Amino acid sequence: QKEVEQNSGPLSVPEGAIASLNCTYSDRGSQSFFWYRQYSGKSPELIMFIYSNGDKEDGRFTAQLNKASQYVSLLIRDSQPSDSATYLCAVILRGAGNMLTFGGGTRLMVKP
Amino acid sequence: EAGVVQSPRYKIIEKKQPVAFWCNPISGHNTLYWYLQNLGQGPELLIRYENEEAVDDSQLPKDRFSAERLKGVDSTLKIQPAELGDSAVYLCASSFGGAYNEQFFGPGTRLTVL
Repeated sequence: QKEVEQNSGPLSVPEGAIASLNCTYSDRGSQSFFWYRQYSGKSPELIMFIYSNGDKEDGRFTAQLNKASQYVSLLIRDSQPSDSATYLCAVILRGAGNMLTFGGGTRLMVKP
Repeated sequence: EAGVVQSPRYKIIEKKQPVAFWCNPISGHNTLYWYLQNLGQGPELLIRYENEEAVDDSQLPKDRFSAERLKGVDSTLKIQPAELGDSAVYLCASSFGGAYNEQFFGPGTRLTVL
């Protein structure tokens, strides 16, 4: 089992819809969770971080964390074609010496 | 504000040759990271520096990889000798403050080993 798991996709949604990206992690003691966006051929850029259970909203993006279920998600409202990218979930795993571990990413395609 | 600078952007070498990558972090960022990213996968941490001290280097294959960060600013990652499996994108990132505070990534170096 991978320490941070994501469905590789592609996840295809129509423009204007809500895109839901999911991530599960293995270390129950993990405390810090990040979502990065990576356009093809480019470097990752941080979208959001979340530390506490519940929802955190920033513009069209909402991160949701459920530590009991070891699950973190990213919702993108009013999806735009420019949101088409790979979304990487990253977790600081306490069991791995507090090292930031990335999932494999989910490729999102927003169709006009 | 200038971002993280990496060079070269692309490098093609034959196996068993040495190769070096250079990174200049954002001014004032005390933490520097080197990652390796294979196609279709997420970045994997190779080493993290806090100022000039190397921490989190458990993933660095020390038989062939080495890194240094002299004076706590620029950093160099070296591979000697390179193997076919080393073909990947090597990303440098930097952040200010504690480990894994918002990281800013450089454009990466795409290495191809023939």
